[in-house]
Amino acid sequence: DAKTTQPPSMDCAEGRAANLPCNHSTISGNEYVYWYRQIHSQGPQYIIHGLKNNETNEMASLIITEDRKSSTLILPHATLRDTAVYYCIVRPHSGGGADGLTFGKGTHLIIQP
Amino acid sequence: DAGVTQSPTHLIKTRGQHVTLRCSPISGHKSVSWYQQVLGQGPQFIFQYYEKEERGRGNFPDRFSARQFPNYSSELNVNALLLGDSALYLCASRPLGQAQETQYFGPGTRLLVL
Repeated sequence: DAKTTQPPSMDCAEGRAANLPCNHSTISGNEYVYWYRQIHSQGPQYIIHGLKNNETNEMASLIITEDRKSSTLILPHATLRDTAVYYCIVRPHSGGGADGLTFGKGTHLIIQP
Repeated sequence: DAGVTQSPTHLIKTRGQHVTLRCSPISGHKSVSWYQQVLGQGPQFIFQYYEKEERGRGNFPDRFSARQFPNYSSELNVNALLLGDSALYLCASRPLGQAQETQYFGPGTRLLVL
């Protein structure tokens, strides 16, 4: 799996958009970008994933640069409940395979009231 | 619908002891994975099981073992506990055929080894 680099921590004001960057300069053509988050005292929660097109769901938007070497997770209107550690994971789509996810240290996003 | 459940929530053991952690997957999910999360780090993959067989294993010593039961629940066993085994142990489930990347995690069992 390609290596990812994320800032260790970020602050964002409540109600503003939170933009979390992830660098993955060694990404391969068949590797997807996945985002998970982990709220304190809970297990990780899947957010979104994408290959090369921008993606949006009810939780967030994922913007992947044209060269696919970096991406940004956007929480459009951050709330206090979005305070969590956000993990960017790059790997091939397994289609149900048996290997596990590789988590780094992630970005600790703190939403300020 | 109930999510992934794990028991116990917290546990304290001493070095050299054995521990068993339990996981019940979401109803209908037949694949269960276990992860270890040491304080300040991301979760690290230990095992995946489905159809009662080990299907994947991370870089953990043989002191770690697991099994899956006919109802798809699972146990993680750790023998000869070391101080470094203190961690949050997470269980994740998914339906068979669904991508490994979209897993549903439980709240974890926090193990402290003294």
